[in-house]
Amino acid sequence: EVQLVESGGGLVQPGGSLRLSCAASGFNFSNYWMNWVRQAPGKGLVWVSRIKGDGSRTTYADSVKGRFTISRDNAKNTLYLQMNSLRADDTAVYYCGKSDWIDPWGQGTLVTVSS
Amino acid sequence: QSALTQPASVSGSPGQSITISCTGTSSDVGTSNYVSWYQQHPGKAPKLMIYGVNNRPSGVSSRFSGSKSGNTASLTISGLQAEDEADYYCNSYTTSSTFVFGTGTRVTVL
Repeated sequence: EVQLVESGGGLVQPGGSLRLSCAASGFNFSNYWMNWVRQAPGKGLVWVSRIKGDGSRTTYADSVKGRFTISRDNAKNTLYLQMNSLRADDTAVYYCGKSDWIDPWGQGTLVTVSS
Repeated sequence: QSALTQPASVSGSPGQSITISCTGTSSDVGTSNYVSWYQQHPGKAPKLMIYGVNNRPSGVSSRFSGSKSGNTASLTISGLQAEDEADYYCNSYTTSSTFVFGTGTRVTVL
C-alpha cells in the first residue's frame, strides 16, 4: 500500500524556519516526481513545489520562491521542505503528494506562523 | 500564477447531473493535458478523481467524468449521491513548468 506521512509542523514565529518531512512507503520512491501542496485554514489548495525523482529538477510557486527549498533523500524514501523567512500567510496544512497527478496525498501537517 | 476560476458552489438533487467548470488560460488549461480533479471532504486529505483531462483512477466511480474545451476544463458528476457532497478542485500544469489549482467548488446535494 502506498503511504505518505508528513511531520515537522508546528508553531513558529514570523521570520523563523521549519523543515517538513514526508516519509514514503509502498512504491519505488526514486522513480516519481513529488509535490508539496498547502491549504490555509478555510481556504483552497495551493501548489507549492515539486521535485524530480532523482532530485535534478525543482520548481516553485512564486509565493515561496527564494524562501522554500524542496529536497529528497532517496536512500531514506523521504521528501523535505525547508521553509525559511516564514510569514503569517504561510500558515497552512502542508500536504505531500506523489507524482504529477498527486495521488495519493499524505494526511498533512499544520504549520502556524504567529508571534 | 493566478488560480484557475471555478464556481464557488454548485448544487443538485440526488440522481441529477451537475457540471463544474474550471477556466484558465492558454498558459495552463488551454495547452495542457495534465488537468486533474480532486475531491476533498471536510477535515480530510484531497483524493484524485480525474487525471489527464478525462481518465479515472481505479476505484473511482464511473459517475465522474472529465472533459476540456479550449481554456476550460469540466468535471461532470452524474447520478448525484449524498456522498458526493464535498469540495472539488481542478489542477493544471502550466507553461512555466509549475502547477496551479482552481479556486474550489463546494458541491451540495439538496
